[in-house]
Amino acid sequence: NAGVTQTPKFRVLKTGQSMTLLCAQDMNHEYMYWYRQDPGMGLRLIHYSVGEGTTAKGEVPDGYNVSRLKKQNFLLGLESAAPSQTSVYFCASSPEWGRHTEAFFGQGTRLTVV
Amino acid sequence: GEDVEQSLFLSVREGDSSVINCTYTDSSSTYLYWYKQEPGAGLQLLTYIFSNMDMKQDQRLTVLLNKKDKHLSLRIADTQTGDSAIYFCAVMDTGRRALTFGSGTRLQVQP
Repeated sequence: NAGVTQTPKFRVLKTGQSMTLLCAQDMNHEYMYWYRQDPGMGLRLIHYSVGEGTTAKGEVPDGYNVSRLKKQNFLLGLESAAPSQTSVYFCASSPEWGRHTEAFFGQGTRLTVV
Repeated sequence: GEDVEQSLFLSVREGDSSVINCTYTDSSSTYLYWYKQEPGAGLQLLTYIFSNMDMKQDQRLTVLLNKKDKHLSLRIADTQTGDSAIYFCAVMDTGRRALTFGSGTRLQVQP
């Protein structure tokens, strides 16, 4: 049982380059999330999805786009990377709303923009 | 939106109890969580408490919730060196249906 898998685990980008981070979950969860983690700031929500075909903005959405074409996948795109986007990115998924929902996290993607 | 605050650092001796504190702003939060993050790893759920509870105990972990003061705490009894990690308080943001995290408390356990 893989849980939540993030690809890639590490990446170095030059300013202005684009890339896509992939998150895949095999638990048939409805909700998926992208967070970024910066030192001393905890995890901040970038975008999230409450089901296949839906996306919504979180706390820090600027500079990112997302897509949820398939229920099991949630993609995070950086169209033109900036040094301020250097961070560790975590994907998470959780079951449907209405009861205790444990969010399961991937292992993270460490992105450096130079 | 929700705001969650924690102190950044706590140092204890092995065998002592650790208490990590958290405050939050949204009184409608239904579930409140404690996650643990070890170096280079993702987040692991430690425990959670429902908002109609005052206390929850799970082996060495005790969670206390004071709804009036919007204060959550995590007590780790008989703290071990393996407990050294960053501990995140998180609350369910009922508007976004997502977790809002505190900044994390780094727990250092000295032998």
